[in-house]
Amino acid sequence: EADIYQTPRYLVIGTGKKITLECSQTMGHDKMYWYQQDPGMELHLIHYSYGVNSTEKGDLSSESTVSRIRTEHFPLTLESARPSHTSQYLCASSPGRRTGADTQYFGPGTRLTVL
Amino acid sequence: SQQGEEDPQALSIQEGENATMNCSYKTSINNLQWYRQNSGRGLVHLILIRSNEREKHSGRLRVTLDTSKKSSSLLITASRAADTASYFCATARSFGNEKLTFGTGTRLTIIP
Repeated sequence: EADIYQTPRYLVIGTGKKITLECSQTMGHDKMYWYQQDPGMELHLIHYSYGVNSTEKGDLSSESTVSRIRTEHFPLTLESARPSHTSQYLCASSPGRRTGADTQYFGPGTRLTVL
Repeated sequence: SQQGEEDPQALSIQEGENATMNCSYKTSINNLQWYRQNSGRGLVHLILIRSNEREKHSGRLRVTLDTSKKSSSLLITASRAADTASYFCATARSFGNEKLTFGTGTRLTIIP
């Protein structure tokens, strides 16, 4: 089991609410990632970070934002949730020692439903 | 466009049989990785194969890589009910990009 945690596991909220999805890892990894995955579909990278104070947008455009103030913590925020944001959000981290993408360790995911 | 596409999309076999899944990709890669995802959960890393490797084994898993055809296969031997999951390939591109691009996944069901 990887030491990477996501809370909450399930979240049902109304349109317009601000939410923050938490992700923490205790492995000391420099690199962290957020993916969005619809049921039965592939993962799409929406944000990543290569270290403290480093954040980049991923391949899939997202209205969410992220921050990386501490190595172990990589929260994702939606300022105003909409039904189109309904999805599963997966957080991952990697040690970043290997050139060309290392193994990634995933959290259990947060399943978000926006009504 | 997708970097990785997997075939078949879904596969059902009897327990004890072997399961083979294929992954095709489009650009040059540094390595290719396979992950398993149980329903509604996060992904678990299974195996990583570098671009200069052709075959790799881990327990009941065998992965092959053919860079000339830009394809990889994952073989699970002597399948068990616990192998029921979705399997994804993920590619790490060759130059200056340490992100993974995931394929579309194969949904494997093992029938007891």
